[in-house]
Amino acid sequence: DTEVTQTPKHLVMGMTNKKSLKCEQHMGHRAMYWYKQKAKKPPELMFVYSYEKLSINESVPSRFSPECPNSSLLNLHLHALQPEDSALYLCASSQDGGLGEAFFGQGTRLTVV
Amino acid sequence: AQKITQTQPGMFVQEKEAVTLDCTYDTSDPSYGLFWYKQPSSGEMIFLIYQGSYDQQNATEGRYSLNFQKARKSANLVISASQLGDSAMYFCAMRDILTGGGNKLTFGTGTQLKVEL
Repeated sequence: DTEVTQTPKHLVMGMTNKKSLKCEQHMGHRAMYWYKQKAKKPPELMFVYSYEKLSINESVPSRFSPECPNSSLLNLHLHALQPEDSALYLCASSQDGGLGEAFFGQGTRLTVV
Repeated sequence: AQKITQTQPGMFVQEKEAVTLDCTYDTSDPSYGLFWYKQPSSGEMIFLIYQGSYDQQNATEGRYSLNFQKARKSANLVISASQLGDSAMYFCAMRDILTGGGNKLTFGTGTQLKVEL
């Protein structure tokens, strides 16, 4: 099983809403990631979790709050977003130590209105 | 800093023909990993092929092969016998292993491939 599952697939939220994106993998990977991708652009790294601990925050605004409750789950909590935060949010996972390829989920298409 | 360059914003290929997507990279690390991903319009990033910097042979995975020329710092993707389902955006990426665990993929700007009948 090389599947990374993201929910929801689509999300429309207002600027005052609070919502969460969820990501799950059962490959035993201990590194998990959030990437943000704008239309016609490459993905950009937001956060890295290694063994359930946040190891990298790429200067992401605090209105994005990641959480890794266990080795299989990764959440991204959203609050007070701006319209420019509308994008495809991709979750990925990879083996211990970052070796091997990263497997990505199908992404959540987020629209902030 | 690592850099990935894809100079072909768009490519067309006829069905059943082979196509080469270009990728050049720049890094000062002696050990690195190069990846190709396919992204259909649905959004999912699909892993295609991996090449390690110390691998002696070019990587192959089914219809995908990676033409790795280390001295030229190029890692071109070759797709043989193109199919309509190959139409997608293709990203070349380099892995930077992080000291805190995990890795960071630096992506090129992508090549939009369209396969025609």
